Amino acid sequence: GQNIDQPTEMTATEGAIVQINCTYQTSGFNGLFWYQQHAGEAPTFLSYNVLDGLEEKGRFSSFLSRSKGYSYLLLKELQMKDSASYLCAVRDSNYQLIWGAGTKLIIKP
Amino acid sequence: GAVVSQHPSWVICKSGTSVKIECRSLDFQATTMFWYRQFPKQSLMLMATSNEGSKATYEQGVEKDKFLINHASLTLSTLTVTSAHPEDSSFYICSARDPGLGDTGELFFGEGSRLTVL
Repeated sequence: GQNIDQPTEMTATEGAIVQINCTYQTSGFNGLFWYQQHAGEAPTFLSYNVLDGLEEKGRFSSFLSRSKGYSYLLLKELQMKDSASYLCAVRDSNYQLIWGAGTKLIIKP
Repeated sequence: GAVVSQHPSWVICKSGTSVKIECRSLDFQATTMFWYRQFPKQSLMLMATSNEGSKATYEQGVEKDKFLINHASLTLSTLTVTSAHPEDSSFYICSARDPGLGDTGELFFGEGSRLTVL
């Protein structure tokens, strides 16, 4: 079966750095996505990785290793507004998105 | 970026009634839209893929007769929850891709509709 694993919850301090990991086992691979979802709101797109390596976008970076079935989202200079759930999703060989359950990130002052 | 609008944001209805949720792509044409359901603290669950001008493709376990999907135009898809029951209470979210952006795969989500069935 297809599976996306990410931690349920993480806590970090304002101003610090946090890394959210995602491992996947899917039928084929056509890209990995990270979305941010604030409570009660719809997800918003953060990043897209299809090739191995690191993609940097401001305070957020996303890394992919296809051979390891692994990705991480790195958030730097954490702000209180970064408190949200972070969803990892993989597009499989049928171009269907398989979603992880999300990682709830709690930022403390 | 592309904008997807969903309406209503909140809806409360009595058990046994039907509720219609609209999803519109405001600045692009979407031949395909996706409907998700999300229970508290759980991931997005794809319910169906809505195809303009044809029947929707439902995921396994989703009742076609209960969750009616209509995609009558390139900018509008509707989800109707028929004979709603309390267990249908959930957060329903639609999404679409903007074909004009190429194959980035990025999904643009509507604001979501929180349904509460009493």
